[in-house]
Amino acid sequence: GAGVSQSPSNKVTEKGKDVELRCDPISGHTALYWYRQSLGQGLEFLIYFQGNSAPDKSGLPSDRFSAERTGGSVSTLTIQRTQQEDSAVYLCASSSYIRTDEAFFGQGTRLTVV
Amino acid sequence: DAKTTQPTSMDCAEGRAANLPCNHSTISGNEYVYWYRQIHSQGPQYIIHGLKNNETNEMASLIITEDRKSSTLILPHATLRDTAVYYCIVSDSGTYKYIFGTGTRLKVLA
Repeated sequence: GAGVSQSPSNKVTEKGKDVELRCDPISGHTALYWYRQSLGQGLEFLIYFQGNSAPDKSGLPSDRFSAERTGGSVSTLTIQRTQQEDSAVYLCASSSYIRTDEAFFGQGTRLTVV
Repeated sequence: DAKTTQPTSMDCAEGRAANLPCNHSTISGNEYVYWYRQIHSQGPQYIIHGLKNNETNEMASLIITEDRKSSTLILPHATLRDTAVYYCIVSDSGTYKYIFGTGTRLKVLA
């Protein structure tokens, strides 16, 4: 596709359930990033992939959060045993090997834990 | 924590230049200044970045002071569609770990 695609766009889940958020980066982009944005806040870095490897997972807030990337393309962010404080917009971005300075963001997945 | 300080909000009349300031007094020699904006309910959009020279592209101009402790993003002819939150970020070139602050909420008025 032309841009970074994220699905679902909205997700409402019950506390304690697991959720999976998907990101399709721009074709050919080797770098992929996950951020989250709580209401009225700036973006919080979660994890970075270069290819299928995640050299920096330092932003993951707890061991309930994990992410993987396969085939150097699609990435899935999984949140286990969701809590209300996990409610936020989860944003994915990608950048190319050539122009690493410009990250392209998706529209985000709005997660609401009830 | 974000390494930048920006005003919380600004207004600008449509058609006028919007000048958005950013202080980054602790910037180090290898760190660039990046600007992104986020229009309501969308993901952030890259605008421009620079190291020490002023930069211009089709969207905006970036003016960086000689001591690099502050910068100004200029939207030369603001339109209603420029209403957004503007984030100033300092980071190593090509880094992934942008630290976003709370940005400046720019409102362009008709």
